[in-house]
Amino acid sequence: AQSVTQLGSHVSVSEGALVLLRCNYSSSVPPYLFWYVQYPNQGLQLLLKYTSAATLVKGINGFEAEFKKSETSFHLTKPSAHMRDAAEYFCAVSGPKGGKLIFGQGTELSVKP
Amino acid sequence: GAVVSQHPSWVICKSGTSVKIECRSLDFQATTMFWYRQFPKQSLMLMATSNEGSKATYEQGVEKDKFLINHASLTLSTLTVTSAHPEDSSFYICSATQSGGEYGYTFGSGTRLTVV
Repeated sequence: AQSVTQLGSHVSVSEGALVLLRCNYSSSVPPYLFWYVQYPNQGLQLLLKYTSAATLVKGINGFEAEFKKSETSFHLTKPSAHMRDAAEYFCAVSGPKGGKLIFGQGTELSVKP
Repeated sequence: GAVVSQHPSWVICKSGTSVKIECRSLDFQATTMFWYRQFPKQSLMLMATSNEGSKATYEQGVEKDKFLINHASLTLSTLTVTSAHPEDSSFYICSATQSGGEYGYTFGSGTRLTVV
């Protein structure tokens, strides 16, 4: 069985500040991990994914995440927040052979001017 | 990149009628498609998984007879909400994958269903 826990349903940062969105996973098989962003009334856009290659994954829009097996974590970071980063962020896990993509609860990111 | 088209983007229907939502992979063959439901300010809840030419696998608690899923080809899956009621009003999102996690999962833009 697989699951994802996102710590913090809402995160607020100032423009230009570091963004850190936390994600911990549980998986009985080697996980594939994903971060998606969702803007209101839209589908999900892939930010980045970990598929057992490099543990530090760089994605779009300046985001990156590091897979830490010992901590079962896959936290999302961005050095400097922009107003356009305000959105809902979802961490998700699947198995290496695909199958179900299981989502965390989501974290709403607010960016203050 | 991989593109999934979902239609309609929004629909309003009367209680008791049926609504069909289409999900198409435009530039790849989707071996597996997924249907999710999302309530306001909440995460995506997986409803069912469908493989081309096979019956869909529904998650626990999802009514098979209410949410009919067809995956007749490698590029098209449909979700039909039968005898819709106001409590079926929600945001429905489809996702498609080519061959598992390695290639990732591409999402449609979602369908806002309102039952009146």
